[in-house]
Amino acid sequence: EAQVTQNPRYLITVTGKKLTVTCSQNMNHEYMSWYRQDPGLGLRQIYYSMNVEVTDKGDVPEGYKVSRKEKRNFPLILESPSPNQTSLYFCASGAGSSGANVLTFGAGSRLTVL
Amino acid sequence: GIQVEQSPPDLILQEGANSTLRCNFSDSVNNLQWFHQNPWGQLINLFYIPSGTKQNGRLSATTVATERYSLLYISSSQTTDSGVYFCASKRGGYNKLIFGAGTRLAVHP
Repeated sequence: EAQVTQNPRYLITVTGKKLTVTCSQNMNHEYMSWYRQDPGLGLRQIYYSMNVEVTDKGDVPEGYKVSRKEKRNFPLILESPSPNQTSLYFCASGAGSSGANVLTFGAGSRLTVL
Repeated sequence: GIQVEQSPPDLILQEGANSTLRCNFSDSVNNLQWFHQNPWGQLINLFYIPSGTKQNGRLSATTVATERYSLLYISSSQTTDSGVYFCASKRGGYNKLIFGAGTRLAVHP
């Protein structure tokens, strides 16, 4: 089944404790992206990647890092999480030559930073 | 960047009713997608429709790129249609999809 898999789905952590949210897709998509969703603010892009070793900032990259060492994986790293990073996070991958056609989203990861 | 505005922000329907959701965008775009976020938070891609009309069961979408809007039609609504509907768009030469704020739909039996 074609899918984007995120882990963990739920996480409660404390300020400053490094964490990684993994994202993997099995559709051979070149484009991958991370979004966060907050009440009243909608979906905002954190980082995206057009291909292996090619990443770029989205609208809200502060406090996050990403890497794209393999085509299928695009982990989101919070080096020193803070309470304002409490949010619902989505990973997505996209088909099409432009990279952003027909996004497929993961199930989401709900993160709470205390 | 482009602005994406959706209307109405909230919509309440009785099961079986029809509805139209609108998405306006501020600049010419080469990508327009509609998504449904169900009450459990899952985001499902409904349509990729930079122009023209598409239909999928009870749902259809039309984008008039020259007039900078897209419409999502839901016919004979069901309670499972409840959730938030997002449109997202991007300009040619840009790699970022911009999402609208969404339309929250509640369908009551």
